Amino acid sequence: DAGITQSPRYKITETGRQVTLMCHQTWSHSYMFWYRQDLGHGLRLIYYSAAADITDKGEVPDGYVVSRSKTENFPLTLESATRSQTSVYFCASGLAGASNTGELFFGEGSRLTVL
Amino acid sequence: AQSVTQPDIHITVSEGASLELRCNYSYGATPYLFWYVQSPGQGLQLLLKYFSGDTLVQGIKGFEAEFKRSQSSFNLRKPSVHWSDAAEYFCAVAGTDSWGKLQFGAGTQVVVTP
Repeated sequence: DAGITQSPRYKITETGRQVTLMCHQTWSHSYMFWYRQDLGHGLRLIYYSAAADITDKGEVPDGYVVSRSKTENFPLTLESATRSQTSVYFCASGLAGASNTGELFFGEGSRLTVL
Repeated sequence: AQSVTQPDIHITVSEGASLELRCNYSYGATPYLFWYVQSPGQGLQLLLKYFSGDTLVQGIKGFEAEFKRSQSSFNLRKPSVHWSDAAEYFCAVAGTDSWGKLQFGAGTQVVVTP
């Protein structure tokens, strides 16, 4: 199916465990992003990637690791989950350059609970 | 540092009434401005955006927004609200040199009553 998909949609884990949230897009967008959504904060940028093998930190990167070996995938890993990382995580993608409309396309989110 | 303020956390409006959501930003220059909508359990969808030019921009679902440089505002409006407009609305900004790195406001929850 075309679009941007996230998995898992729901995840419960324990403090200290490693968790990976997957993001896959079928548009061949160059840019991909990870945001977290918390009540009262809106969405905050964790990491972003301008192209395969190029990643950079956003506003709240501590405790997270990303990679982008293929254009279509942008996994987010919590190496040792903490309760403060309980949140809803959104992946987004977009096309920069001459075709840039400024629009980001968001996945449906992954709700993570850390006990 | 850039910031986005949505002063209203929650708004209740009657179906058929007009709606206005406020957004104020703080940024060194005129940024790119966006309004996104999030329905329950869903991701965000772009309603409209402002890059330059005409300060009144039209979006999807009958929404419009007006950029006012002097007030650093980008308020969202709809003349007549439908029950399906119940959702959370986010204003966002991005620097012209930081495409895609959106700074979001905290959001405004809109409830539509019959």
